Amino acid sequence: ETGVTQSPTHLIKTRGQQVTLRCSSQSGHNTVSWYQQALGQGPQFIFQYYREEENGRGNFPPRFSGLQFPNYSSELNVNALELDDSALYLCASSSTPLRATDTQYFGPGTRLTVL
Amino acid sequence: AQKVTQAQTEISVVEKEDVTLDCVYETRDTTYYLFWYKQPPSGELVFLIRRNSFDEQNEISGRYSWNFQKSTSSFNFTITASQVVDSAVYFCALSDVKSSNTGKLIFGQGTTLQVKP
Repeated sequence: ETGVTQSPTHLIKTRGQQVTLRCSSQSGHNTVSWYQQALGQGPQFIFQYYREEENGRGNFPPRFSGLQFPNYSSELNVNALELDDSALYLCASSSTPLRATDTQYFGPGTRLTVL
Repeated sequence: AQKVTQAQTEISVVEKEDVTLDCVYETRDTTYYLFWYKQPPSGELVFLIRRNSFDEQNEISGRYSWNFQKSTSSFNFTITASQVVDSAVYFCALSDVKSSNTGKLIFGQGTTLQVKP
């Protein structure tokens, strides 16, 4: 069974640029969630994708957007990068989106640094 | 309001000591789920356990055990005979009916555990 994978591992961007992060879900999972984890903090929910549509969203501005593809992989796009966007971005996959019973399994994350 | 509080920011123990990580949660829902994740220095969140609000039985898995008490809204995690490999940041998380409709897990701030040899 293949776990959740993310790319790239590390990324350095400058303020105002745009970035795309990628995630492949665990085998058999059709739902992907994205989280932002600032240094020393717990992960914060950005949004979730199911059947190629955004299923739920946390308190993040519209410049954070995403996509899900037919193979359930997903992208997180961030436009007009700000210094505060520097964080570890975690992707999690699960088998269904709407039940609290389901466990989200996380990937290794992408470390984004904005200069 | 939904909230998870991990009051212990950092804990340091010597190998073979037992250690308990505290987690207190807030939710208005009667149906909810609680989770513990481990985050080693590599960054990946590793799933440890999920419990539902209707099952207050304590659970033991090897050196790990969990104590769920609805009366005090706590879901504490104990590592028995700690090892250096247990050194990591541990997160408690909540998913209730409201948050589950968006797929949202609500995390605490995390507790950094350092186990010294």
